[in-house]
Amino acid sequence: AQSVAQPEDQVNVAEGNPLTVKCTYSVSGNPYLFWYVQYPNRGLQFLLKYITGDNLVKGSYGFEAEFNKSQTSFHLKKPSALVSDSALYFCAVRDGNYGQNFVFGPGTRLSVLP
Amino acid sequence: EAGVAQSPRYKIIEKRQSVAFWCNPISGHATLYWYQQILGQGPKLLIQFQNNGVVDDSQLPKDRFSAERLKGVDSTLKIQPAKLEDSAVYLCASSFYGGLAGTVSSYEQYFGPGTRLTVT
Repeated sequence: AQSVAQPEDQVNVAEGNPLTVKCTYSVSGNPYLFWYVQYPNRGLQFLLKYITGDNLVKGSYGFEAEFNKSQTSFHLKKPSALVSDSALYFCAVRDGNYGQNFVFGPGTRLSVLP
Repeated sequence: EAGVAQSPRYKIIEKRQSVAFWCNPISGHATLYWYQQILGQGPKLLIQFQNNGVVDDSQLPKDRFSAERLKGVDSTLKIQPAKLEDSAVYLCASSFYGGLAGTVSSYEQYFGPGTRLTVT
């Protein structure tokens, strides 16, 4: 069965600095990987996905993520953080070969300080 | 393009009562998901529909939870009777095509605003 870990409950970064939110995964087959963001009292919003191809994927709001197969990681990054990026971030995985359902990580709360 | 609609947004009930949630997915999306999100945790899939058929309900507590998707569009999720531990946000999501394993398609899910359920 697939699983997702987000090792940091909270990430704090100063506005203008680069940010990284970490995600590692475990699947039997090929991983389909996703990042979602959740703002207070709102549903999750899709940011980006990796299915196949280039290991560096670009998404909404200037975010990008790098797929690293050897380290089974899919870290979310942004070169310059904004205060408005403060939210809850979820990594999710689906096994492209053996599963149909998505598994979400526990979430990482990002706080960007002005 | 209209997003995923859910109602009600908030619901407070007493334990042992019943409650129902409604979801209208994005037009043309064949796959519909119901998730339970307990405070401080990531969403947990309860049930996945492909059109009006159930693809995965392995984590649905079937003794008290039920869901249907008549005509392959709107869906309802019901809890009867509710327990204190059912207090959570219930999220509905849809995607163009959930796909069988191994096929490449548009997997990203679009979520509704959720229904916050409080069981007292």
